Order: sequence, then structure tokens, then C-alpha cells
Amino acid sequence: EPEVTQTPSHQVTQMGQEVILRCVPISNHLYFYWYRQILGQKVEFLVSFYNNEISEKSEIFDDQFSVERPDGSNFTLKIRSTKLEDSAMYFCASSELAGELFFGEGSRLTVL
Amino acid sequence: KQEVTQIPAALSVPEGENLVLNCSFTDSAIYNLQWFRQDPGKGLTSLLLIQSSQREQTSGRLNASLDKSSGRSTLYIAASQPGDSATYLCAVSPSEAAGNKLTFGGGTRVLVKP
Repeated sequence: EPEVTQTPSHQVTQMGQEVILRCVPISNHLYFYWYRQILGQKVEFLVSFYNNEISEKSEIFDDQFSVERPDGSNFTLKIRSTKLEDSAMYFCASSELAGELFFGEGSRLTVL
Repeated sequence: KQEVTQIPAALSVPEGENLVLNCSFTDSAIYNLQWFRQDPGKGLTSLLLIQSSQREQTSGRLNASLDKSSGRSTLYIAASQPGDSATYLCAVSPSEAAGNKLTFGGGTRVLVKP
């Protein structure tokens, strides 16, 4: 069964460092998303991406964040200068249209 | 701003009992509502998607209803099993154009005791 895959599963970084989280969405999907879940809190939308550009973004997704689809398969989330409050589980997801959303297993980011 | 609430936050039932999980949302102008399952430390698995024009969706032992005008959805799980133990999340989409820009509830953590 096709699935969304994410790497790394866990990353520990120092405050101020750049982090890149990687995702391989399901191959025939056109819409890609990043969500995050801070421990004990709700899952929050960060950004959606379609046709090689951002289609929606939340207030959380400020200038420190960027997304890219560098080739035909990968979808990345970059955090330029990490802060302590960026510590969270980051989920990549994909869908065909505004339909069923498929999530990856997540990348746990710990900022020290 | 859309707010999604799930009550109760946690629920413990003996095996075989039916589960009833509630979800409410403040803005009834939604495009669809989705129910997800999340196991500890894992990603989210889609269970059911209900379009705003639908009243309910069924998949096996799962049935979800939607009352858009009152801002409520209910997930029913029949004849619960220990394997149903997980956190169940509901989420709403505001419009077709917004796609899967979902607003999530806080989840209901379910424990089914053998």
C-alpha cells in the first residue's frame, strides 16, 4: 500500500541551527502538507503546497520556515534558525485533491 | 476562527462495549470533516471522511454522523476491541479551495480493556 515516508524519524539540534525535514509523498498525489504537533497539544496546520508553490500557510509559518520540492519525489521543510519552541513532531501529508489525507509517521524535532 | 472541541478527552471501556466519540466545531461553514486515528508516537490514519452535504459515513464497525447546522459530528465504534485503543481526532476543512488545511480537535484518548 502506498505510504508517505519521512526522514529523519528523530533529530536533535542546537538552538539557532538549520534543520531540513524530508518527505516522500504518495506518488500520484498533487497536494502536499506539513503539520506539527507540540507535545500534549493539538495538531496544527503549517503549510500546503500545490503545483510547485505554497497554496496556504498559517501564522506559524513565518520567514524562518520554507518548503521546497527539489525533485519529482521529495518535499522538504526547512527551519532556518531553530528555536526551543520549534520542538515538536512534524508530519508530512499528501492527498489527491481536498479528499482523504495520508500522513507520514512524523519527524520528531528536539531543539536544545 | 474555527475551533474544534472533542469531549471527552479520555474514555475507558470494557471490550465489547460500543464507543461514542463527540466532536463539535464553532463555524458550520465547513467543506468536509475527517476522523483520524493516532497511535502513540505514530502518524495519523484516516478513518472516515464526510462531505458537508452528507449526513453519515460507514466503514466496517465505524460510523460517523455529521450535523453541520449544529456543528457536531459523532464517531461510533461498535463492539470495541483492545486494538481500538488509540487517540481519535476529528478535523474540519473550511472550503474546497483550502483543500486539506484542516483544523483539528484535541482528540479523545480511548482505552479498551480486555
